[in-house]
Amino acid sequence: GQSLEQPSEVTAVEGAIVQINCTYQTSGFYGLSWYQQHDGGAPTFLSYNGLDGLEETGRFSSFLSRSDSYGYLLLQELQMKDSASYFCAVISPSNYQLIWGAGTKLIIKP
Amino acid sequence: DVKVTQSSRYLVKRTGEKVFLECVQDMDHENMFWYRQDPGLGLRLIYFSYDVKMKEKGDIPEGYSVSREKKERFSLILESASTNQTSMYLCASRGSTGVNTEAFFGQGTRLTVV
Repeated sequence: GQSLEQPSEVTAVEGAIVQINCTYQTSGFYGLSWYQQHDGGAPTFLSYNGLDGLEETGRFSSFLSRSDSYGYLLLQELQMKDSASYFCAVISPSNYQLIWGAGTKLIIKP
Repeated sequence: DVKVTQSSRYLVKRTGEKVFLECVQDMDHENMFWYRQDPGLGLRLIYFSYDVKMKEKGDIPEGYSVSREKKERFSLILESASTNQTSMYLCASRGSTGVNTEAFFGQGTRLTVV
């Protein structure tokens, strides 16, 4: 089977840095994606890692290590608007569809 | 501006009713999906379609069916609604070119079955 694990909730302070981890067990995959979902909203794409290493997009970075079956999303200079749920997802090699983690709720305190 | 549109934001239906949830995308995407989202359970795939008139069961297809008569439209049908189908339903679409193509989601339909 294929599964992804992420913490259910993470709390951080405005202006700080937070890391949301994702570990996966899959029989191969094409890459790791991250999505953001605000309460009452739709998930929106944040990043994709097809290769090992760090991808940076502004305040957000995402990392992948295939040898460790592990990735993370790093959010810097946290703002209150970053309060949301964050989902990691992998692309299944069998049917090219997305397999989702259960999501991490990020709570930001002033 | 790319868009996935779900026909209703909120729905209240009675137990036993047949319910139709409609989804339309304007990106000419081959792949379309229906998920349900419940607290703590993430996104669970109900059905997906990779082409017109083609459909595949996801992880939780029981009690649901789908229809894709046109490329841009993917409908989810609850044959006989039950209270355990009260949930947020999300439609998504995704292209087929490359493995890193992102999924685009509609705003969701919050269905309550009473």
